[in-house]
Amino acid sequence: EAGVAQSPRYKIIEKRQSVAFWCNPISGHATLYWYQQILGQGPKLLIQFQNNGVVDDSQLPKDRFSAERLKGVDSTLKIQPAKLEDSAVYLCASSFAGGGDEKLFFGSGTQLSVL
Amino acid sequence: QQQVKQSPQSLIVQKGGISIINCAYENTAFDYFPWYQQFPGKGPALLIAIRPDVSEKKEGRFTISFNKSAKQFSLHIMDSQPGDSATYFCAARYANDYKLSFGAGTTVTVRA
Repeated sequence: EAGVAQSPRYKIIEKRQSVAFWCNPISGHATLYWYQQILGQGPKLLIQFQNNGVVDDSQLPKDRFSAERLKGVDSTLKIQPAKLEDSAVYLCASSFAGGGDEKLFFGSGTQLSVL
Repeated sequence: QQQVKQSPQSLIVQKGGISIINCAYENTAFDYFPWYQQFPGKGPALLIAIRPDVSEKKEGRFTISFNKSAKQFSLHIMDSQPGDSATYFCAARYANDYKLSFGAGTTVTVRA
């Protein structure tokens, strides 16, 4: 079974530039998550999709971050404009339905460095 | 505000030794407590999980101990191996919305 695919693997940008990350979840997984993992901290949920609808985006800095999941499959997370404090690993995860004791499957992440 | 407090930040153990990682929480609305293992350059992967109605769960060399009254749970890695060297995150899930709150992580180094 193919895992969660993310790209790019690394990205270096200057502050105030924009950047986009892409995620392809495991086939058949209805729920998709974007997490931010700052060095030395645990992952923090940014946004959760159920199919192509947003379930929770309460911790997404909406003045600069946006995300979409067209057709309930792939998803894109965008930052515009980036700040120094956005330097982190951005992890995408998926699960079959998002409830119960379901296992989250994480991708390898995109490591973002904002200079 | 961190909902789940994890300690220690890092630990070093000799091969064959026992690694112990502790987590504490305050919110009684948590109903599911997973542990994730993360290797450098990879995303976290579910290792083992427990519900609060069980005091202990064992899978191979990994054991979760759960103390509901103290609101604490811990991961024990028995007979630690160099391949266990990774960062371990405890987490707690809210019963109402299934949202996971992660601890800050513990980096375990197993010396051969």
